[in-house]
Amino acid sequence: AQSVTQPDIHITVSEGASLELRCNYSYGATPYLFWYVQSPGQGLQLLLKYFSGDTLVQGIKGFEAEFKRSQSSFNLRKPSVHWSDAAEYFCAVGTPYNNAGNMLTFGGGTRLMVKP
Amino acid sequence: DTGVSQNPRHKITKRGQNVTFRCDPISEHNRLYWYRQTLGQGPEFLTYFQNEAQLEKSRLLSDRFSAERPKGSFSTLEIQRTEQGDSAMYLCASSSQGDTEAFFGQGTRLTVV
Repeated sequence: AQSVTQPDIHITVSEGASLELRCNYSYGATPYLFWYVQSPGQGLQLLLKYFSGDTLVQGIKGFEAEFKRSQSSFNLRKPSVHWSDAAEYFCAVGTPYNNAGNMLTFGGGTRLMVKP
Repeated sequence: DTGVSQNPRHKITKRGQNVTFRCDPISEHNRLYWYRQTLGQGPEFLTYFQNEAQLEKSRLLSDRFSAERPKGSFSTLEIQRTEQGDSAMYLCASSSQGDTEAFFGQGTRLTVV
């Protein structure tokens, strides 16, 4: 079975600073990888996804993530954080070997706070 | 279509009562998923429908939980004899066959007192 670990529960960065959120997964083959963002009381919005090909993927709102097979990681990055980026971020894994493809296993999340 | 719609947004119930939530997926989506998210945790998969057929159920879905999608459109999730541990956000998502993205609703927050 697959699993996802987000080692950082909380991260605080200053507005304008760079950001990296860590994600490590466990799965026997190359999984589908996702990053979602959740604002308080809201559902999940997809930031970006990786299925195959170029290991650096670009997403919405200026986010990018890099898949590193050797490290089983899919870290999320942003060069300059805006106050509106404050939210909870979830990394998720899906497998290509079930009927659904969207049955996701989520990490525990990282809460991002942005200082002015 | 404005996306996946869930009702109600909030539900407070007394322990032992039954509750039912509704999810209306994006209209052309034939796949529908339910997840549960407890405070401070990531969402956990509960169940999956393709059209009206329930194809996957998590072990988290105890016998007090039942989900239906009778006509392959909207879905309901019922919890019988609610317990305090059922307090959570219940999220619904939908996708089309072959989609690589599932679209999430805003969730129903259940509080059992």
